[in-house]
Amino acid sequence: EAQVTQNPRYLITVTGKKLTVTCSQNMNHEYMSWYRQDPGLGLRQIYYSMNVEVTDKGDVPEGYKVSRKEKRNFPLILESPSPNQTSLYFCASRPDGQETQYFGPGTRLLVL
Amino acid sequence: SQQGEEDPQALSIQEGENATMNCSYKTSINNLQWYRQNSGRGLVHLILIRSNEREKHSGRLRVTLDTSKKSSSLLITASRAADTASYFCATDGQSNYQLIWGAGTKLIIKP
Repeated sequence: EAQVTQNPRYLITVTGKKLTVTCSQNMNHEYMSWYRQDPGLGLRQIYYSMNVEVTDKGDVPEGYKVSRKEKRNFPLILESPSPNQTSLYFCASRPDGQETQYFGPGTRLLVL
Repeated sequence: SQQGEEDPQALSIQEGENATMNCSYKTSINNLQWYRQNSGRGLVHLILIRSNEREKHSGRLRVTLDTSKKSSSLLITASRAADTASYFCATDGQSNYQLIWGAGTKLIIKP
């Protein structure tokens, strides 16, 4: 089944404890992206990647890192999480040249 | 990036009625997309309309685009309980790699 998967789906952590949220897609898509969703603010893009080893900042990159060593994976790293990073995170992918994005199920993060 | 705006923020209607939600945006676009999100889940693409199109249909969905007013509307006809969800518009703005998202319309269909 064609899909975008994220792990973990739910995470409670404490301030300053490094964490990684994984994202993987099995559709051979070139483009991948991370978003955060907060009430009343819609989706805000954190980072995106046009292909392997090519990444760029979105609108709210502060406090996050990403890497794209393989086409299928695009992990989101929070080196030192803070409470203002409590949010619902989505990974998405699409093929190059197409506009429709395919979303993962989301990761709900709580930073205490 | 500037966000699009959707209205209403929330809409509650009876099953079988039509639901209309609107999206306004600020920059010129190549296309506009509508997505649906069931409570807390991933977004699902519904329909894409290009800047040279005025109207597009997909099943019970009808999307219009008015580039002169920088606005779009999504009409869901003969609503069903399963249509209860949040609906988001997204525009491509000036970039091929970034979408600009509205804050969404929360639609509740009452049985």
